[in-house]
Amino acid sequence: DGGITQSPKYLFRKEGQNVTLSCEQNLNHDAMYWYRQDPGQGLRLIYYSQIVNDFQKGDIAEGYSVSREKKESFPLTVTSAQKNPTAFYLCAVGGYEQYFGPGTRLTVT
Amino acid sequence: GIQVEQSPPDLILQEGANSTLRCNFSDSVNNLQWFHQNPWGQLINLFYIPSGTKQNGRLSATTVATERYSLLYISSSQTTDSGVYFCAVSHYGGATNKLIFGTGTLLAVQP
Repeated sequence: DGGITQSPKYLFRKEGQNVTLSCEQNLNHDAMYWYRQDPGQGLRLIYYSQIVNDFQKGDIAEGYSVSREKKESFPLTVTSAQKNPTAFYLCAVGGYEQYFGPGTRLTVT
Repeated sequence: GIQVEQSPPDLILQEGANSTLRCNFSDSVNNLQWFHQNPWGQLINLFYIPSGTKQNGRLSATTVATERYSLLYISSSQTTDSGVYFCAVSHYGGATNKLIFGTGTLLAVQP
């Protein structure tokens, strides 16, 4: 089965806890991205990686961290420093044209 | 930074009607994509169209880069067309893959 997988689909955490969201792809793309979507809004870029062991901050990187140890995987950690972590998180792959995974809905209470 | 504005913000159609969605951007772009976000949140690629015109079935898109706008046409709309339509661009001279999204057009197609 090909494509982009994100797990879990729904995630609930208590305030003050770090949480890691998974993104895996078998499309052989070098570049991977993390976006955040708030209700009624467009997507905003958190981090992106154009190659293994390299990544750059997007527009809203504060309170988030990433790693890119394998081409297939780009996990996102939402740290306790992120002031408003409740959101819909989408992972994408691709260069000129980006393709999105199904997303993870994170709720922090 | 570059601004992306979409209009209208909301649209209600009867099944079978046609519609035009607009995306205006404030500066030169080197990438433009249209997406449809379904009610489950999945973003579906519609068009990669930094310039020119493309068609795919009942959907077509036109980007006039020199005038900084793109249009998405939906003909003979169906209830499955409901959802949010996003335009996303990347700034010319910047990284081609740093997409900036508009706030979307929420489309509801009624039977």
